[in-house]
Amino acid sequence: KQEVTQIPAALSVPEGENLVLNCSFTDSAIYNLQWFRQDPGKGLTSLLLIQSSQREQTSGRLNASLDKSSGRSTLYIAASQPGDSATYLCAAVRPGTYKYIFGTGTRLKVLA
Amino acid sequence: SQTIHQWPATLVQPVGSPLSLECTVEGTSNPNLYWYRQAAGRGLQLLFYSVGIGQISSEVPQNLSASRPQDRQFILSSKKLLLSDSGFYLCAWGQTGFEQYFGPGTRLTVT
Repeated sequence: KQEVTQIPAALSVPEGENLVLNCSFTDSAIYNLQWFRQDPGKGLTSLLLIQSSQREQTSGRLNASLDKSSGRSTLYIAASQPGDSATYLCAAVRPGTYKYIFGTGTRLKVLA
Repeated sequence: SQTIHQWPATLVQPVGSPLSLECTVEGTSNPNLYWYRQAAGRGLQLLFYSVGIGQISSEVPQNLSASRPQDRQFILSSKKLLLSDSGFYLCAWGQTGFEQYFGPGTRLTVT
């Protein structure tokens, strides 16, 4: 059974720092991995999807990587800004299936 | 482009009252549709998903039900709300095994 873990649960950094958020999964079989951002009281916003055949995806200051052998995905945020403050969630989905398995998220605060 | 709508945005209902939350998707056809609940300080809980009209899969036994009367419409219902039904309800759509997109959510408070 796939389980997704995100550590740390909360993170506070000064503005301008580069940071890494971690997502671990127990089943290293073929999965796509999606990263989301959630602002307080809002829905989830899709950031990046890494397909199981890919190793990384980039969008602006965000870079997500996938290492199936170690069961890890990381979200790298370059030059963090106060506007990056939010909860970041990752979710794994097996290609050809319907269910997404979510981590519990990392609450990020970027201090001005 | 695709858009997903949810309403109402907020709802306060007494215990024992009925519930109907609606979700509609625009700009895509035959999407997979999902209802999630997010309780305060907790992760996302998948409640129902649907891969087609009239096809509903339930993930958690409870007093909630879902229906999909049209291709891009997904409804979450209850005949009698419980205090434990309070939470943030999120609708999402996706194509099988690929990206999932979420609506703005409905904040439900049962009093």
